Amino acid sequence: GIQVEQSPPDLILQEGANSTLRCNFSDSVNNLQWFHQNPWGQLINLFYIPSGTKQNGRLSATTVATERYSLLYISSSQTTDSGVYFCAVEGSGTYKYIFGTGTRLKVLA
Amino acid sequence: DAGITQSPRHKVTETGTPVTLRCHQTENHRYMYWYRQDPGHGLRLIHYSYGVKDTDKGEVSDGYSVSRSKTEDFLLTLESATSSQTSVYFCAISDSVDRVVAFFGQGTRLTVV
Repeated sequence: GIQVEQSPPDLILQEGANSTLRCNFSDSVNNLQWFHQNPWGQLINLFYIPSGTKQNGRLSATTVATERYSLLYISSSQTTDSGVYFCAVEGSGTYKYIFGTGTRLKVLA
Repeated sequence: DAGITQSPRHKVTETGTPVTLRCHQTENHRYMYWYRQDPGHGLRLIHYSYGVKDTDKGEVSDGYSVSRSKTEDFLLTLESATSSQTSVYFCAISDSVDRVVAFFGQGTRLTVV
């Protein structure tokens, strides 16, 4: 099956810093999403981005499907950005979303 | 709040007993998913459904079964619970058009002793 790798596994930032999270996948995909899991365990959909670039406030994402990777950018990080960020992909010809193991982000005040 | 609820939210059960977790949605979404989350593994797909009575296996389906008799409910059953099934279980839903996973439930923390 399709493999999804995220890097870095852990990241510690000072408030106000910028960061880039990466998601690599091993095969062509129909869909790709980024999620944030807050410290209370709630999972929130950030972006649906099978290709191209999207922005939502301080967050933006880019997927280059032909090269099988996606990037999530966080600018001017805040303590509320802390948590785990997951990339999930739906392989071509499937209805199944497969998740990466996540990037755990901690933003220090 | 999103129209997806899981029950129970917490459960402790004994090894060998059957357990059923329920996911209920009010969004009329076609696709429903059950995931488990364990340290070091992220979220792993157990089973999913692409319509009433249409289900298929995910990555880690052994020891689990599912049923979907109506659009709004997706049940996950541990036929004979084992300690390795201690985990946090999440239900998710997505719509038909592009299968964007729109919402996750709050999770069910299951402990098998």
